[in-house]
Amino acid sequence: GNSVTQMEGPVTLSEEAFLTINCTYTATGYPSLFWYVQYPGEGLQLLLKATKADDKGSNKGFEATYRKETTSFHLEKGSVQVSDSAVYFCALSDYNDYKLSFGAGTTVTVRA
Amino acid sequence: DTAVSQTPKYLVTQMGNDKSIKCEQNLGHDTMYWYKQDSKKFLKIMFSYNNKELIINETVPNRFSPKSPDKAHLNLHINSLELGDSAVYFCASSQERDSLYEQYFGPGTRLTVT
Repeated sequence: GNSVTQMEGPVTLSEEAFLTINCTYTATGYPSLFWYVQYPGEGLQLLLKATKADDKGSNKGFEATYRKETTSFHLEKGSVQVSDSAVYFCALSDYNDYKLSFGAGTTVTVRA
Repeated sequence: DTAVSQTPKYLVTQMGNDKSIKCEQNLGHDTMYWYKQDSKKFLKIMFSYNNKELIINETVPNRFSPKSPDKAHLNLHINSLELGDSAVYFCASSQERDSLYEQYFGPGTRLTVT
């Protein structure tokens, strides 16, 4: 079956620090990959996506590249802000499975 | 102008009670979902409906029953509530079954069973 493994948190950073959240996946088919973000007290929002190998998704200064050879989709941001404090979820969808499979989520706290 | 709305936002109830959570989307989407998020933020799909037809039914106790009166609404009814049902429940929707990845989430309903 499909599964997503992402680095455990919590992660605490200072403003303007570099953020990386690792994500690897296992899929039976050819999945699409996503990062969702959940701000405190809110639902999940799609942050970025990539649908084929070597695609780079980007949004709000965040980037992730679909690496088929390493089955990874690591999230990066070069300079975080306090407003980036949230829980980040890596996810995949596979048309054979007809659903999103989420990683366990990584809580990120950015301090001023 | 809320895209996916849920009511109530908070629900506190006692063990053994029956309760419902309502979800509505005004995006014109064909597919709706219910997710459960536990205290460690782990998110798991429970059900999915496409045009009022049940397409995903994960291993969920029979006490949970989804109902979709039309494709804009997906309600979740829970019978005989247990302590372990305490969680945040999220409703979501997407345009059509094959574009399920672009899901739009509601704000969540925090259920506390005492």
